Amino acid sequence: DVKVTQSSRYLVKRTGEKVFLECVQDMDHENMFWYRQDPGLGLRLIYFSYDVKMKEKGDIPEGYSVSREKKERFSLILESASTNQTSMYLCATHMDRGPNYGYTFGSGTRLTVV
Amino acid sequence: GNSVTQMEGPVTLSEEAFLTINCTYTATGYPSLFWYVQYPGEGLQLLLKATKADDKGSNKGFEATYRKETTSFHLEKGSVQVSDSAVYFCALEDGSSYKLIFGSGTRLLVRP
Repeated sequence: DVKVTQSSRYLVKRTGEKVFLECVQDMDHENMFWYRQDPGLGLRLIYFSYDVKMKEKGDIPEGYSVSREKKERFSLILESASTNQTSMYLCATHMDRGPNYGYTFGSGTRLTVV
Repeated sequence: GNSVTQMEGPVTLSEEAFLTINCTYTATGYPSLFWYVQYPGEGLQLLLKATKADDKGSNKGFEATYRKETTSFHLEKGSVQVSDSAVYFCALEDGSSYKLIFGSGTRLLVRP
C-alpha cells in the first residue's frame, strides 16, 4: 500500500513565521497535491506537482509556495503565516494508471496560527 | 467549470436505518467520481469510486451509481452502524489535470 506521511499532526505557529509542512510518499508516484480543509468549504487545492522541480498553482495559492526537490517529498511553505491560514492541511499522491488508480491522502496537519 | 454539490449535514440516523447522501456534479466530459470518508481525527480514505457512466462503486456496504443522465452519484447504505459516523465527501476528478474537486462534505451521526 502507498503510504503518505505528513511530518506533524498538530502545529501551532505565530503570525509572521515561515512555516514548512512536509509530505513524504513511499511509492514512485509522479503526482502530488496539497489541499486545505475548512468546515463548510470541503477541500480546496493549493498547489500540485507532476514531477520533480515542477509545480502548478491550484485554486487558492495566495500566501503559499511549494518545493519538490525529490520525487518522494512535496513541501508546502507558508511564507508569512497569518491567522486565516489556520486550517487542516492534507497532502495526497495520485496514481494515474493501473488497478490502484486514484488518490492516497496523508492523515493531515492541523495548523493553528496565533 | 467543474463543481460538486452535496447535501448539507449533519445527517442523524438511528442504527440500522437506511442512508442516502445526495451528490450532483457539473463537469465537461465524463469525469471519474469518488466518495471519500473522514473519521474523527483522521485523513481522507477512499470509500468507493466509479470511472464511467452506469458504473456502480461499492465498499463496506456502501454503494453509489454513476448516473450521467441526472449528473448524480448518490451514496447509499442499507443499514448504518454507529461506526459509520464520519464526514463523507463526494468528489470528481478533472480528467485533464487529475485535480480532485470536492463537495463541502456531509457529517453523518449514527445513534445506537
